[in-house]
Amino acid sequence: NAGVTQTPKFQVLKTGQSMTLQCAQDMNHNSMYWYRQDPGMGLRLIYYSASEGTTDKGEVPNGYNVSRLNKREFSLRLESAAPSQTSVYFCASSQTGGAGGNQPQHFGDGTRLSIL
Amino acid sequence: SQKIEQNSEALNIQEGKTATLTCNYTNYSPAYLQWYRQDPGRGPVFLLLIRENEKEKRKERLKVTFDTTLKQSLFHITASQPADSATYLCALPNTGFQKLVFGTGTRLLVSP
Repeated sequence: NAGVTQTPKFQVLKTGQSMTLQCAQDMNHNSMYWYRQDPGMGLRLIYYSASEGTTDKGEVPNGYNVSRLNKREFSLRLESAAPSQTSVYFCASSQTGGAGGNQPQHFGDGTRLSIL
Repeated sequence: SQKIEQNSEALNIQEGKTATLTCNYTNYSPAYLQWYRQDPGRGPVFLLLIRENEKEKRKERLKVTFDTTLKQSLFHITASQPADSATYLCALPNTGFQKLVFGTGTRLLVSP
């Protein structure tokens, strides 16, 4: 059972380049999330999708866009990468509830992104 | 907004002992609180959810308590093993339930 799958696992970009991080879940979950994790900062919510067809900003949305392609897939796009976006990015999903719902969240193993 | 405090210093204990990790929060008391485990290079893995009307919850060697008066949750691992070494995160909803807020986590090191 794959759970939440993120691609790529590692990526190095130059400042100003763009890229899309992919996320797919096979648990038939309604809600999906994108977080970034930085040392000493904990996980911070970038965007979330409470259900297919909806997306909402989280705590740190600036510089990012998202697309909920279908129920399974939720992508995160950096249009013009900046060194401050160097981080580990995690995608997660839950059965229901939006970002604050009382459901466990299931995480992928992350994308390690470095921007030079 | 909700703020969470977890001890940033690593907790070192010997195998077989009970590990106790603390999660303190400010502002309003949430309706529930979650605990996750994160291994190096991996995503967090959900362990337990405890609701405000549950003072204690157990799962195998894990026990979580929730004290809304102290605004604190304690996470216990009994009979700890080296395989329990990881970072443990607590998480709870912020005001208005718009997002889940995660603590920075406490690293647990269990020595043989």
